[in-house]
Parts: sequence; structure tokens; C-alpha cells
Amino acid sequence: EIVLTQSPGTLSLSPGERATLSCRASQSVSSYLAWYQQKPGQAPRLLIHGASSRATGIPDRFSGSGSGTDFTLTISRLEPEDFAVYYCQQYGSSATFGQGTKVEIK
Amino acid sequence: QIQLVQSGAQVKKPGASVKVSCKATGYTFSNYGITWVRQAPGQGLEWMGWISAYNGNTRSAQKFQGRVTMTADTSTSIAYMELRSLRSDDTAVYYCARGSMAAPGWKFDPWGQGTLVTVS
Repeated sequence: EIVLTQSPGTLSLSPGERATLSCRASQSVSSYLAWYQQKPGQAPRLLIHGASSRATGIPDRFSGSGSGTDFTLTISRLEPEDFAVYYCQQYGSSATFGQGTKVEIK
Repeated sequence: QIQLVQSGAQVKKPGASVKVSCKATGYTFSNYGITWVRQAPGQGLEWMGWISAYNGNTRSAQKFQGRVTMTADTSTSIAYMELRSLRSDDTAVYYCARGSMAAPGWKFDPWGQGTLVTVS
């Protein structure tokens, strides 16, 4: 099973700041990586797939990069609605999720 | 619009079984798969398994093998997930999400609203 490790566990930032979230895979997943946003009491929402392709309706302040084992989700300028938990998910071999990164208001 | 609507919350006794449904609307059900993901209280997302609505192929995560059954009824566009021999640590919100018809791994979009299963 491919293990995904996200860092940091929690990111404390202010609105308008840049957020950089990391996801590392235990073995190569090529570009088969997605990112999801989850707010309290809600289902996850797809943000990025194929490591760098934004899903339909996702603002361009969200961007993804990386391939192989190292991936990054960047939120260029945090809006109030962006404070949430973010998960990466690999689909190179079946499917697994990272443990999540919480982006909280500083 | 494309939507997945899940059945309501359930409370079960340890050792019992639970069956959760997921009704798809707004797309051709048999052209995709349905994946099942659960989230224990305060915890992260855990992939449970997948079914192709095209041909009925399934794959489940190793920890659920032998305990989970996934089915898909193309006549009603409803997918089902049954989990047997429930334990207290199966208490979680169970989500369905649209996936690929061909393989368990793919992007998952959209998601159902979730079904809380409490084992107590």
C-alpha cells in the first residue's frame, strides 16, 4: 500500500498570506495525485487532479505541482473561506489518502 | 447537476451489519464507478473500496476484505455498501463518491453528503 505523508499537520496563517502544503508518497505515483478540501460538517471537495489540473469551478489561487513522490498544493492568497482541512490522495495504485493538513486562522 | 444522495443515519449494535445506499443523478451511472470512503470522528479519510457500475468489478482495501460488500444497481442508479460484523471503531461517517468505471484509483468527484453510522 502506498503511504502518503502530509506536512505540516497544522498551518497557522492570516488571510491574504500564501499557504504551501506538502504531500510525500512512499513510492512513485507519477502524476496520479489529487487534493481535496474539507470544511467542518461537509463532504470533501475535489480541488486538484493529475497533480496540477484544477477541478471545475476551483479558483485559480489554488495550484498543484509535483510528480513522482513529492507534491505541493499552494494557495496564493488565503481567503476566509479557505481555512479548512486539505487531503492529498494518490490513485497510482488503488487509492489512499494522506492524514490531512489543517489550515487555521492565525 | 451531478449529485450523489446517500441514505440516512443509522445506529447498530456490535456484531450487526449496516447497508448504506448512494443514489446517483445527473449522469450515466454505468459509465462510472462508485468509491466508498469513511471518516471516524475527528479523524482523516480512509478509502474502503470501489465498484465499477459498468461491469460490477470490485476492489476493497485489505483491512475490509471479507467484511464489506459493494453492489451497484444500474436500473435504479443506486450503489450500496454493506459492512458486516460491526465494531465500535466502525463508528464513522461513510461517504460515496463518483470514480472511474475501469479502476479503483481515480479522482473522486462529486461526493455524497455522508451517512453517519454509529455502533453502540
